[in-house]
Amino acid sequence: KQEVTQIPAALSVPEGENLVLNCSFTDSAIYNLQWFRQDPGKGLTSLLLIQSSQREQTSGRLNASLDKSSGRSTLYIAASQPGDSATYLCAVWSSNYKLTFGKGTLLTVNP
Amino acid sequence: EAGVVQSPRYKIIEKKQPVAFWCNPISGHNTLYWYRQNLGQGPELLIRYENEEAVDDSQLPKDRFSAERLKGVDSTLKIQPAELGDSAVYLCASSSRGDQETQYFGPGTRLLVL
Repeated sequence: KQEVTQIPAALSVPEGENLVLNCSFTDSAIYNLQWFRQDPGKGLTSLLLIQSSQREQTSGRLNASLDKSSGRSTLYIAASQPGDSATYLCAVWSSNYKLTFGKGTLLTVNP
Repeated sequence: EAGVVQSPRYKIIEKKQPVAFWCNPISGHNTLYWYRQNLGQGPELLIRYENEEAVDDSQLPKDRFSAERLKGVDSTLKIQPAELGDSAVYLCASSSRGDQETQYFGPGTRLLVL
């Protein structure tokens, strides 16, 4: 059974700081990995999707990497802003289009 | 274009009562998902529909949960009777046939069972 772990569970940083969120998964037989953002009282928004054959994806200030063999992914956020405050969820696609989510990292960026 | 619509947004009921959640996916999306998200946890898949067919309901507690997607569009998730442990956020998502990997999530229904 696939298990996804995210570290840290919570992170508080001052505005402007660069930060890294970590994700690990137990079964390396994945199709791809996604990072989502969840704001309080709202649904999930997909940030980045990395195919299993890729090593990284970039979107604006966000960069996600994938090391499939070691079962790890990182989400790098550059020059953090208060508007980045949210919960960030890592999820892996396994067979049968099943997404397995981690518990998330609660990020707070202080002005 | 409207996103995934869910109602109600919040629901408070007493245990043993029935409750139903409604989801309207993005127009043209043939795949619909129901997830449950407990406090401090990631979402967990309950059921996945391809059009009107439930293709994965292995995680749906069938003794008290039921779901339907008549005509392959809107979907309803029902709990009867509700238990205290059912308190959670119920999320609906949809995706299109040509892009299964991109799921669009609704805002969820927050259920509190007293």
